[in-house]
Amino acid sequence: QKEVEQNSGPLSVPEGAIASLNCTYSDRGSQSFFWYRQYSGKSPELIMFIYSNGDKEDGRFTAQLNKASQYVSLLIRDSQPSDSATYLCAVKGGYQKVTFGIGTKLQVIP
Amino acid sequence: DAGITQSPRYKITETGRQVTLMCHQTWSHSYMFWYRQDLGHGLRLIYYSAAADITDKGEVPDGYVVSRSKTENFPLTLESATRSQTSVYFCASSERDRATGELFFGEGSRLTVL
Repeated sequence: QKEVEQNSGPLSVPEGAIASLNCTYSDRGSQSFFWYRQYSGKSPELIMFIYSNGDKEDGRFTAQLNKASQYVSLLIRDSQPSDSATYLCAVKGGYQKVTFGIGTKLQVIP
Repeated sequence: DAGITQSPRYKITETGRQVTLMCHQTWSHSYMFWYRQDLGHGLRLIYYSAAADITDKGEVPDGYVVSRSKTENFPLTLESATRSQTSVYFCASSERDRATGELFFGEGSRLTVL
């Protein structure tokens, strides 16, 4: 079992809709959780991080963490075509080591 | 402007050749990492370093060698390249005391082994 699991997609949503991206992780000792966005041919960039149970909102993005269920999600409200990218879920353990999921490809249809 | 730079950006080599990918960061971050990214596997950690002269293996270290004699440089060497090492390689850095553990990535090095 991979340490961080994501559905590779593609996930297609119409413009203006809510995109929901999900991730599960196996290490209960994980400390921090991240969502990176990666455009095709580019390097990943951090868009959200969360380390406490519950929701964290930043603009159109909301990260949700449930440590009991070992589940992390990212909601993108009012999805735009510019949100079309691959979204990588990542989990930090000890020594700043970060493990990534396979990534979910999001397509926002105009 | 401060940042993290990788070189070369593109490299084609032949099986059995030695290849070194360079990574340089100007932030004085303590931690540096090498990842490879392949279709179907996502980003996988090859090696990481917590400080100068301190390195450790990640998930897929076989066939790779790293060194870190200076804080700002973290080269990755493929001692005898194989076709399975064809990939996009990302170097990243992170601050020791930053609570988020955010990784800052270089632009990537695309390596093709023929």
